[in-house]
Amino acid sequence: GQNIDQPTEMTATEGAIVQINCTYQTSGFNGLFWYQQHAGEAPTFLSYNVLDGLEEKGRFSSFLSRSKGYSYLLLKELQMKDSASYLCAVRDSNYQLIWGAGTKLIIKP
Amino acid sequence: ETGVTQTPRHLVMGMTNKKSLKCEQHLGHNAMYWYKQSAKKPLELMFVYNFKEQTENNSVPSRFSPECPNSSHLFLHLHTLQPEDSALYLCASSQTEVIGANVLTFGAGSRLTVL
Repeated sequence: GQNIDQPTEMTATEGAIVQINCTYQTSGFNGLFWYQQHAGEAPTFLSYNVLDGLEEKGRFSSFLSRSKGYSYLLLKELQMKDSASYLCAVRDSNYQLIWGAGTKLIIKP
Repeated sequence: ETGVTQTPRHLVMGMTNKKSLKCEQHLGHNAMYWYKQSAKKPLELMFVYNFKEQTENNSVPSRFSPECPNSSHLFLHLHTLQPEDSALYLCASSQTEVIGANVLTFGAGSRLTVL
């Protein structure tokens, strides 16, 4: 079966750096997405990786290794507003999106 | 108004009621989706419409009935639901069903409670 694994919950300190990991086993690969979802709000797109390597976008970066079935989302200079759930999703060979259950990130002062 | 708008934001219904969820997008997208989000579970794709045609029905029980009258509007009609159907129902849209990065734009969801 197809599977996306990510930690259920993580805690980090304001101003610090946190890395949220995502591992996947899917039938084929056509891209990996990260979305952010604040409580009670819509998920919003953060990043898309289809080739190996690091994609940087301001304080957020996303890394992909297709050979390892692994991605991470790196958040730098954490702010209280970064407290949210982070969803990892992989598009398989049929272009279906397979979702992880999300990682709830708690930022402490 | 821009983005994806869902109404109502909250809905409580009995198992014998009939209600509908509404989704509207003002992005000029041609694909629209219904997802179910339950606590600590992955998003479950329910239905996909691409250019108003249903292209995906992920073995969803018939008590959920989608309707897509045009590319901007999507409905989810609900009848004789079960308590386990209580969840957040998310609507999303994208340029088309499959193209490039195909980023989804989500609405804030309709929180459904079935008593």
